[in-house]
Amino acid sequence: GAVVSQHPSWVICKSGTSVKIECRSLDFQATTMFWYRQFPKQSLMLMATSNEGSKATYEQGVEKDKFLINHASLTLSTLTVTSAHPEDSSFYICSARIRVGELFFGEGSRLTVL
Amino acid sequence: AQTVTQSQPEMSVQEAETVTLSCTYDTSENNYYLFWYKQPPSRQMILVIRQEAYKQQNATENRFSVNFQKAAKSFSLKISDSQLGDTAMYFCAFMKLLGGATNKLIFGTGTLLAVQP
Repeated sequence: GAVVSQHPSWVICKSGTSVKIECRSLDFQATTMFWYRQFPKQSLMLMATSNEGSKATYEQGVEKDKFLINHASLTLSTLTVTSAHPEDSSFYICSARIRVGELFFGEGSRLTVL
Repeated sequence: AQTVTQSQPEMSVQEAETVTLSCTYDTSENNYYLFWYKQPPSRQMILVIRQEAYKQQNATENRFSVNFQKAAKSFSLKISDSQLGDTAMYFCAFMKLLGGATNKLIFGTGTLLAVQP
């Protein structure tokens, strides 16, 4: 199947700093990517839909200024957690749409904010 | 709004046995996709099986099959000949068909399946 790569897989940062997570579709172009957040033993919560060349669409309750999403090319979307705090510690997962009804997921990125 | 419900937080099955995971959903849409995803301890989301709502035939993938009951809005997953590697969290998910590229997946709360040796 298609490959979606996330980097870094694990990051630790100090409170107040910003962290960028990358999501790449390695062997296909993705006009649409999705970012999810997952707390331990819970389901995936959609944060935003990332559209190539346009602004992301955020889900209700997700702070746009805190979670900056950029989709500058057909193979790369980035999520930047700005001024991170311990409550932002979580597992972040991206997915990329290859065609209608078919998505592939990245390996996820574990963020720990000290 | 669409919702997906998984009423079994945890299940256990003996190796080589068969287990069925339940999923119900609520939607006013007529055309949509339903999915089962597996999330092992590595946390990589893996597609197990997909069903298009317009297809009456139940989808199958090797040891995995679904029982899709459109009128009842039920979409259960049957795992036959369970293997230790099937131990994972299983998520049922819904996606509507119309609406184009931005259609998003709506996940259930998950069922943690443990396969016992």
